[in-house]
Amino acid sequence: GESVGLHLPTLSVQEGDNSIINCAYSNSASDYFIWYKQESGKGPQFIIDIRSNMDKRQGQRVTVLLNKTVKHLSLQIAATQPGDSAVYFCAENGNDYKLSFGAGTTVTVRA
Amino acid sequence: GAGVSQSPRYKVAKRGQDVALRCDPISGHVSLFWYQQALGQGPEFLTYFQNEAQLDKSGLPSDRFFAERPEGSVSTLKIQRTQQEDSAVYLCASSSDNYEQYFGPGTRLTVT
Repeated sequence: GESVGLHLPTLSVQEGDNSIINCAYSNSASDYFIWYKQESGKGPQFIIDIRSNMDKRQGQRVTVLLNKTVKHLSLQIAATQPGDSAVYFCAENGNDYKLSFGAGTTVTVRA
Repeated sequence: GAGVSQSPRYKVAKRGQDVALRCDPISGHVSLFWYQQALGQGPEFLTYFQNEAQLDKSGLPSDRFFAERPEGSVSTLKIQRTQQEDSAVYLCASSSDNYEQYFGPGTRLTVT
């Protein structure tokens, strides 16, 4: 079946460096993608989204890139801070409401 | 404003007991979703409401799972005769447009 997945389960990054988290998806019909951040004991927190008619979107310290040719999504975090340590999920919305999540990437920020 | 709230935050049930999990969505949000998150995994869709109508329950794992939203606001997820495999975090999300979904903190259910 169709699924959304992440390339790496863990990422360790030095404080102040930039982080890049990758995600591959297989449903070419998906038209909306979201990145969520989940801290321990909390629900997923919306970070940034992008629609399929765009290839880049920027937020505060975050940028999402969408490459529809290779069905790849990435999240870039600038100047990573200790508070960025969390599990990051990409999710796709292919039928107007149901989100499909990948397994997640655990980001650990080293001081 | 207030976000999505869920109660209880933690629930321990003996196998065979019934449990009820509550979700208070963001005021005015028409859409409400329930997801199940196993340890170390991403959330998995369970069911979807638009106002009081349950439009999709395709993700409910068995007929022991039942969800309702009688007045189009608060929702309850009920699990009858709980089994150990039901142990997970149950997440509720609400949305005004079905795209940007806001999640609550979840209820961690442990079945012993």
